[in-house]
Amino acid sequence: DAGVIQSPRHEVTEMGQEVTLRCKPISGHDYLFWYRQTMMRGLELLIYFNNNVPIDDSGMPEDRFSAKMPNASFSTLKIQPSEPRDSAVYFCASSRTSGGVTDTQYFGPGTRLTVL
Amino acid sequence: KQEVTQIPAALSVPEGENLVLNCSFTDSAIYNLQWFRQDPGKGLTSLLLIQSSQREQTSGRLNASLDKSSGRSTLYIAASQPGDSATYLCAALSPGGGSSNTGKLIFGQGTTLQVKP
Repeated sequence: DAGVIQSPRHEVTEMGQEVTLRCKPISGHDYLFWYRQTMMRGLELLIYFNNNVPIDDSGMPEDRFSAKMPNASFSTLKIQPSEPRDSAVYFCASSRTSGGVTDTQYFGPGTRLTVL
Repeated sequence: KQEVTQIPAALSVPEGENLVLNCSFTDSAIYNLQWFRQDPGKGLTSLLLIQSSQREQTSGRLNASLDKSSGRSTLYIAASQPGDSATYLCAALSPGGGSSNTGKLIFGQGTTLQVKP
């Protein structure tokens, strides 16, 4: 299995620009998670999907952030407009249901975003 | 609201030493407790998962324990090696929000381990 795939691996953009991060989960997994990692705040859950439906977006920092999952094999996290404080590593993870709860989460390599 | 704390934030030990990493959580209503490893510039790799009904899990030189009543978990690494150098994160799978009964992982800040040859 190829694991969770994220693109791009690195993104440098200027303040005010739109940024789109992409994720391909592991085939057969029905949960997809977006996390953000910073030195100050650690690893934070932004949003997660079950069967392509957003379940909990309470971690999304503000309206500038949006996430979609148009099908079982693709998800995007969009920031518009981007700000320097959005600079972080963004991880996507996927898992499958086991016994009614989510099983081990498998993480992608992350996208390192720098907003100048 | 679930909070997960890891102590110490950093640890340096000589090769061959046995060591313990600590994790505490404030809400005992968890589905499971997971330990991850993160290498610099990389994603997270799952090491061990302890279900809420279990007391411990073992994988090779790693042993993780769970005491829900006291809100604690430990990761024991035997005979440490330089290749064990990484950041170790624990995460509690707590009841999620929204309309689902599924859980959401709440992470600690991690313990950065350095094993010196």
